[in-house]
Amino acid sequence: QKEVEQNSGPLSVPEGAIASLNCTYSDRGSQSFFWYRQYSGKSPELIMFIYSNGDKEDGRFTAQLNKASQYVSLLIRDSQPSDSATYLCAVAGGYNKLIFGAGTRLAVHP
Amino acid sequence: KAGVTQTPRYLIKTRGQQVTLSCSPISGHRSVSWYQQTPGQGLQFLFEYFSETQRNKGNFPGRFSGRQFSNSRSEMNVSTLELGDSALYLCASSLQGSTGGQSDTQYFGPGTRLTVL
Repeated sequence: QKEVEQNSGPLSVPEGAIASLNCTYSDRGSQSFFWYRQYSGKSPELIMFIYSNGDKEDGRFTAQLNKASQYVSLLIRDSQPSDSATYLCAVAGGYNKLIFGAGTRLAVHP
Repeated sequence: KAGVTQTPRYLIKTRGQQVTLSCSPISGHRSVSWYQQTPGQGLQFLFEYFSETQRNKGNFPGRFSGRQFSNSRSEMNVSTLELGDSALYLCASSLQGSTGGQSDTQYFGPGTRLTVL
C-alpha cells in the first residue's frame, strides 16, 4: 500500500464547476498536510496547508481534513481553465520530509 | 523577497560522471530539502538539512549526498551517475522545519533538469 494515494485522473470538469480532489494516507500519526499545484514543466507551487480536522478556506480553494478516516481533500470552486494542472497531495513524514502522492491531473474545459 | 534559486537549470552528463547541484533558499529560511521527480516514481524525498546538519534522509543510495553551508545554501552531489538518475531535482526551503510535530511549509525552487546519457 502506498503511503499517500491519489487518483491519477484526468479529472475533467467544465469551467465554473467545483473540482474535488481526494487523497488518502496511511500513517495515522501524520499531522501536517499540503496541497501543491504543478503546471507541466514547472515546479510545485504551494496552494494550501492544513493541520486540524475540518475545513480551511482560502479564496476559491477549500482543504478538508478527516484524520479519523485518514483523508484529505481539496475543493476548487468556480474552476477556471488556468486551474488545469497536476495537484499533488503531500503528507509530512518528519523533519520536513514530505511524502507525495502521484498527483491528480485536472482538466478544466471551457 | 526572492524565491528559491537553483543552479544550473539544465545539465547533461554521461554515465559514471558526478554532478553537483546548488540551491539558495529564501532569505531567512534555514531548512533545505531535496527531492527527485521522475515520471515513474513521482516526487521522492532525498534529504533535509537544517543549520548545516542532515536531519532526515530518504531511501536513496549513498551515491546521493548533500551538505549545507553556514549561509543556509545547500548543494547535493550525485556520484557515478546512472541512466536512472535522469530526473528533475527540486530543492525546497522552509523557515525552520518541524516544530512540535508540525512541518513547516516548503517552497520549491524551479529545479535542475539532469539528463544522463
